[in-house]
Amino acid sequence: QVQLVQSGPEVKKPGASVKVSCKASGYIFTTYAMHWVRQVPGQRPEWMGWINVAIGDTKYSQKFQGRVTITRDTSASTAYMELSNLTSEDTAVYYCVRSGYGGYAWDFWSQGTLVTVSS
Amino acid sequence: DIVMTQSPLSLPVTPGEPASISCRSSQSLLHVNGNNYLDWYLQKPGQSPQLLIYLGSNRASGVPDRFSGSGSGTDFTLKISRVEAEDVGVYYCMQAQQGLYSFGQGTKLEIK
Repeated sequence: QVQLVQSGPEVKKPGASVKVSCKASGYIFTTYAMHWVRQVPGQRPEWMGWINVAIGDTKYSQKFQGRVTITRDTSASTAYMELSNLTSEDTAVYYCVRSGYGGYAWDFWSQGTLVTVSS
Repeated sequence: DIVMTQSPLSLPVTPGEPASISCRSSQSLLHVNGNNYLDWYLQKPGQSPQLLIYLGSNRASGVPDRFSGSGSGTDFTLKISRVEAEDVGVYYCMQAQQGLYSFGQGTKLEIK
């Protein structure tokens, strides 16, 4: 069965960077794009960007452009999201999400990783 | 940017009764290919969101047929024909026009 398993919770200082991993299993990793979404508790989800896992092309939300980098390691079936120059407003749960149904919808979500930014 | 607006924001429903959620977008989500790039997700308490409906009206695999999506262009509706206790949570519409994505504020469904 499809699984997306993320790395554990992180606590970071303001100005630092965080890198979250997302290990995929149960399907052929290179045949589905992967998105990254974050959600501040109690608020709506917010799209950050996505990666074409097969060729490595990426597209980012303008809001995060310049601060976010999405990569993948096809040999490890793992996607990564790195966010730099963290502030307290980046405290949120970060999800990797598989793009299914021919790319038309997000069919599998990870369990999420809580990133806390605090001095 | 496309802004998504849902109503109501809170929806108390008696089990067995129907429920309806509206979602409006600030721009048309109807693509030239005839697809409406609008999905519905449910986030149950303490869980990650899960896909219910994609391309406006297509039920995702495993989603009960009491859930249905309709609409086109800028106005969309999610209907639950008979609400069950397991349907509680926050429902989000999400647009996927032009390869950019944004969510509505969410509608919290609770059982009366």
